[in-house]
Amino acid sequence: EDQVTQSPEALRLQEGESSSLNCSYTVSGLRGLFWYRQDPGKGPEFLFTLYSAGEEKEKERLKATLTKKESFLHITAPKPEDSATYLCAVQAYTGFQKLVFGTGTRLLVSP
Amino acid sequence: EPEVTQTPSHQVTQMGQEVILRCVPISNHLYFYWYRQILGQKVEFLVSFYNNEISEKSEIFDDQFSVERPDGSNFTLKIRSTKLEDSAMYFCASSDQQETQYFGPGTRLLVL
Repeated sequence: EDQVTQSPEALRLQEGESSSLNCSYTVSGLRGLFWYRQDPGKGPEFLFTLYSAGEEKEKERLKATLTKKESFLHITAPKPEDSATYLCAVQAYTGFQKLVFGTGTRLLVSP
Repeated sequence: EPEVTQTPSHQVTQMGQEVILRCVPISNHLYFYWYRQILGQKVEFLVSFYNNEISEKSEIFDDQFSVERPDGSNFTLKIRSTKLEDSAMYFCASSDQQETQYFGPGTRLLVL
């Protein structure tokens, strides 16, 4: 069964304090790994798609990387507006297109 | 920028009643999905829909659930006889030929 584990569950940072979020996965043939941001009471907002080990994607203060077993979301010099829950999801070749999500990392950035 | 929309944003219903949740996917997308998120839990896949038929469904998507694309723009999820445990946020998503799924804002369903 495809599984996604995210750590830490929650992370509190000071503004400007860089850190990384982890997403470990087991999947029967990875089609893609996805990062989403979710604000309270809202739908997941797409951030990145990674397809193969070694791939990296960047957007503003965020950078996502992928290995054969895990992905990292690096946050450089975060701002309070980066506070949200960050979700990782995988899509396998065996499933038609369903995403399997982790439980997320709740990030709080204090000014 | 095109986005997925959902109505209503909130729905309160009595146990045993039928509810229909509505979604308007991004206009050129071909693949449609429903997910749900029980408060404090992970987002869970319910069903995917392509070419006017269900392409995959989860164990959660039992006989009380159905999906329909009644016209060229809407995609609906019907729950025939709601249970207390159906209370959750329901998200619609859509994608084109690529894998990236774009999610709507959700419908918060509360079953009393």
